[in-house]
Amino acid sequence: DVKVTQSSRYLVKRTGEKVFLECVQDMDHENMFWYRQDPGLGLRLIYFSYDVKMKEKGDIPEGYSVSREKKERFSLILESASTNQTSMYLCASSTPGTEGSPLHFGNGTRLTVT
Amino acid sequence: GENVEQHPSTLSVQEGDSAVIKCTYSDSASNYFPWYKQELGKRPQLIIDIRSNVGEKKDQRIAVTLNKTAKHFSLHITETQPEDSAVYFCAYKLSFGAGTTVTVRA
Repeated sequence: DVKVTQSSRYLVKRTGEKVFLECVQDMDHENMFWYRQDPGLGLRLIYFSYDVKMKEKGDIPEGYSVSREKKERFSLILESASTNQTSMYLCASSTPGTEGSPLHFGNGTRLTVT
Repeated sequence: GENVEQHPSTLSVQEGDSAVIKCTYSDSASNYFPWYKQELGKRPQLIIDIRSNVGEKKDQRIAVTLNKTAKHFSLHITETQPEDSAVYFCAYKLSFGAGTTVTVRA
């Protein structure tokens, strides 16, 4: 069974702090994704990566960056945390496929910025 | 991102009744149409998916139907049970619908 592990379940940070959210998957998946989930808005794509050292902007990349130095690890970075980045952050991975493939999600990190 | 509209946003059904959730999408670039279920406090998980070479797929009490001409696909849950209470999301390419909160009343 695919396991996607997010390093923290809950995180509280101060405005202006640099925040790192870590995600590791154990199934050798090429594709990895970061979403944020807010009530009534569903899941919105922040960044994604189809290969090591590769990254693509999603729909809401402003205020975020990512790092993928190893295939199994995909990090989300909040350069200077702001209160509007308080949210649930979900990491996901999938196998490559031109016809699409299911996303496997981690348990999420609930980030509160005060 | 892609425009994915999901309706209704909330759905309350009596146990044993059916539930239907519909998603519409804007282009014809993808042939993959998944549905995810998220129970309270848990991660979203795939429950069923369909590829565009078929019009319907069924797995026990859940089914997905696809109308490529009209650009919509639907999730059908029959004989609903309390454990079906959750938030359901459709997805198209990498975009998700806003979600449907389903409540099954005993």
